[in-house]
Amino acid sequence: AQSVTQLDSQVPVFEEAPVELRCNYSSSVSVYLFWYVQYPNQGLQLLLKYLSGSTLVKGINGFEAEFNKSQTSFHLRKPSVHISDTAEYFCAVSQTSSNTGKLIFGQGTTLQVKP
Amino acid sequence: DGGITQSPKYLFRKEGQNVTLSCEQNLNHDAMYWYRQDPGQGLRLIYYSQIVNDFQKGDIAEGYSVSREKKESFPLTVTSAQKNPTAFYLCASSPGTARTEAFFGQGTRLTVV
Repeated sequence: AQSVTQLDSQVPVFEEAPVELRCNYSSSVSVYLFWYVQYPNQGLQLLLKYLSGSTLVKGINGFEAEFNKSQTSFHLRKPSVHISDTAEYFCAVSQTSSNTGKLIFGQGTTLQVKP
Repeated sequence: DGGITQSPKYLFRKEGQNVTLSCEQNLNHDAMYWYRQDPGQGLRLIYYSQIVNDFQKGDIAEGYSVSREKKESFPLTVTSAQKNPTAFYLCASSPGTARTEAFFGQGTRLTVV
């Protein structure tokens, strides 16, 4: 079975500062990794995904994430945040051998960008 | 405009009543999913369907039912057997393979009064 742990429930940061949102996963099989963003009272939108190849993945809105297999981590980073980045962020995994497309989500991290 | 439409956006239900949440997609995706979101718990899978007329229980299926009579539609019924139904419900669809991302609707907030 897989599980996903997002290590911080809330991350406050000032505008234009860098940010890192941490995600660790546990799985006995290989997985694909995803980061989603959710604005208040909205659905989820894909930020980026890691399938294979380069461990540094670039996504939308200036976000990037690095896959570290030995640490079983997939941390999300942005070098300079904006007020509009205030949202909840979810890390998720899917089993590579799965034919269902099911995702296992972490608990979410609320990013609060302050002026 | 391709996407997933959930309705209604807000729903109020009295205890003991069943209620059905609508989910329609025009992305021609084979797979559809229902997730429940509670604060601090992330998203938990209720039911999923990979093809028409077939669906599988997720991690928290008790007190819920679904149908998949058409590829485009995957309604969720919250029955009176669901002990704590107040939550934000999200419907998603995908081509159904592990490497493809899911696309989400805007959600339905259900409140039991």
